[in-house]
Amino acid sequence: EVQLVESGGGLVQPGRSLKLSCAASGFTFSDYAMAWVRQAPKKGLEWVATIIYDGSSTYYRDSVKGRFTISRDNAKSTLYLQMDSLRSEDTATYYCARHDRDSYAQNYWGQGVMVTVSS
Amino acid sequence: DIVMTQGALPNPVPSGESASITCRSSKSLVYKDGKTYLNWFLQRPGQSPQLLTYWTSTRASGVSERFSGSGSGTYFTLKISRVRAEDAGVYYCQQVREYPLTFGSGTKLEIK
Repeated sequence: EVQLVESGGGLVQPGRSLKLSCAASGFTFSDYAMAWVRQAPKKGLEWVATIIYDGSSTYYRDSVKGRFTISRDNAKSTLYLQMDSLRSEDTATYYCARHDRDSYAQNYWGQGVMVTVSS
Repeated sequence: DIVMTQGALPNPVPSGESASITCRSSKSLVYKDGKTYLNWFLQRPGQSPQLLTYWTSTRASGVSERFSGSGSGTYFTLKISRVRAEDAGVYYCQQVREYPLTFGSGTKLEIK
């Protein structure tokens, strides 16, 4: 059974950093691209970043470029999101999701982790 | 960026009736391989999103046949037949044709 379990969320002050983790199991992690998708309170879904299967390419939405870094450790089957220079508008539930290899659709999602940026 | 625009539903929808949600993209979602990279998701209250369909009309594993996607190019529709209480939630379309990946703003379905 595919499982994605996020951790590392919490309350952080504006300008500070936070690192999210997503532990994957039930599939060969190193075969799949992975993504972070977020959802601000009572708002819609917003793609944040994607990393391809071997980590050699990464993609970001403009609003997080230069502040967020997506990475992975295939030996540990873990996905990360390093978030620096956090802003209040980064407040959201962050979901880890697996891209399907053919369709690129996110066919598996974690339960999400809440990040609150506030002083 | 590709903008995804979703239509609204005349809520609430009576149980057993059909509901159709529209989604329009600002650019064709047909990729060079000939496939159209349009996905539909359902997010039930308090839950993570669930993939319903990909490549416009292919149902994801385990998804009921009551969900059917259609469309081409820039105009797409998700039809839900014989709606049930468990279908309530917010539906999102998403394009994965190019980066940045973008979602529609969501369409809420309420069941009567």
